[in-house]
Amino acid sequence: AQSVTQLGSHVSVSEGALVLLRCNYSSSVPPYLFWYVQYPNKGLQLLLKYTSAATLVKGINGFEAEFKKSETSFHLTKPSAHMSDAAEYFCAVRRYNQGGKLIFGQGTELSVKP
Amino acid sequence: DTGVSQDPRHKITKRGQNVTFRCDPISEHNRLYWYRQTLGQGPEFLTYFQNEAQLEKSRLLSDRFSAERPKGSFSTLEIQRTEQGDSAMYLCASSEPGTAVSEAFFGQGTRLTVV
Repeated sequence: AQSVTQLGSHVSVSEGALVLLRCNYSSSVPPYLFWYVQYPNKGLQLLLKYTSAATLVKGINGFEAEFKKSETSFHLTKPSAHMSDAAEYFCAVRRYNQGGKLIFGQGTELSVKP
Repeated sequence: DTGVSQDPRHKITKRGQNVTFRCDPISEHNRLYWYRQTLGQGPEFLTYFQNEAQLEKSRLLSDRFSAERPKGSFSTLEIQRTEQGDSAMYLCASSEPGTAVSEAFFGQGTRLTVV
């Protein structure tokens, strides 16, 4: 069975500081991996996805994530936080033969201090 | 707006009543998904359709829940005899046909409160 673990339900950083949101997956075969962002009163929006083409994936709004098979991790980073990055972030996994359904982690709320 | 739309955005109902939610996916997206999200948790998969066929249902989907997508376009999710534990945000998503890497586009959700 697949699962996704996000370490830290809440992360707080200062504006301009590095953002690091952690995600570890459990799967018998390397899955497809996604990061979504959810702003208040908005739908989930795709930030980036790993599809085995490249281990370092660049997404929107300056975010990127690196797939590390040996560590079963897919951590999300951004070099310099902006106030507008404050939101809930979800890591998700999908198996190629499971009809496209996503298995989400519990989410990490990112706060950005001025 | 050509995104996924859900109606209503908010629903307050008394315990024991039936409720129905609607989802209109992005046109030409043949896959449609329903998820449930409770406070402080990530979305949990409920069910999905490919065109009008319901191909998978989660064990979370008790017999009080039913979903339909009669013409392969919009979908409805009905909850019968609502319970307080049904209070949650119900999310709909759609994706293009084809591969597992197709992006799922989410609606803003329907927030259900059972009192």
